Amino acid sequence: QKEVEQNSGPLSVPEGAIASLNCTYSDRGSQSFFWYRQYSGKSPELIMFIYSNGDKEDGRFTAQLNKASQYVSLLIRDSQPSDSATYLCAVTFSNQAGTALIFGKGTTLSVSS
Amino acid sequence: DAGVIQSPRHEVTEMGQEVTLRCKPISGHNSLFWYRQTMMRGLELLIYFNNNVPIDDSGMPEDRFSAKMPNASFSTLKIQPSEPRDSAVYFCASRVTGNSPLHFGNGTRLTVT
Repeated sequence: QKEVEQNSGPLSVPEGAIASLNCTYSDRGSQSFFWYRQYSGKSPELIMFIYSNGDKEDGRFTAQLNKASQYVSLLIRDSQPSDSATYLCAVTFSNQAGTALIFGKGTTLSVSS
Repeated sequence: DAGVIQSPRHEVTEMGQEVTLRCKPISGHNSLFWYRQTMMRGLELLIYFNNNVPIDDSGMPEDRFSAKMPNASFSTLKIQPSEPRDSAVYFCASRVTGNSPLHFGNGTRLTVT
């Protein structure tokens, strides 16, 4: 069963705060993990990917992966009103035939000024 | 880089009509995915192709849905006959390899009345 779970939110934070978004997945063998941002009426756009346990930082964004716990998170530091969007966690699920990318339902983030 | 190109951007049709959605992946990408997005169900994987070959179509909701990829630069998703519950945004996405990020098209918003 390919499952990716996220809290739907909304998650509300004040401008300048840290936003923490969480995701769990069902397959211990999953190898690749992605965070996409989607503004209303737009297509998903990639903001981070992570393949190894630990933290990966890119500007204000940090992705954290714990494969033993089947848990991946995204931290947004110094949150801005422009960060208000839906954040989608995506996880690869592989079998002999190929590698599918399954998305969670997303967490809506609202940053107030 | 033109990105993933989908057409049409909007489609309004009556119940029972045939609908064909089109997608041109990024040149050099080996995998193509079709997703459907609704508020209730999120971003659902319908089918994906590797090197023009369908790998997993278990997400296709029923026999009314079919997808083809006759060559590396073109894919179609067909619904026949369409029903109101098919109303959603349909996204096409492509990637280079199994663990690389997906790049999304702008989507087709389908409304079936």
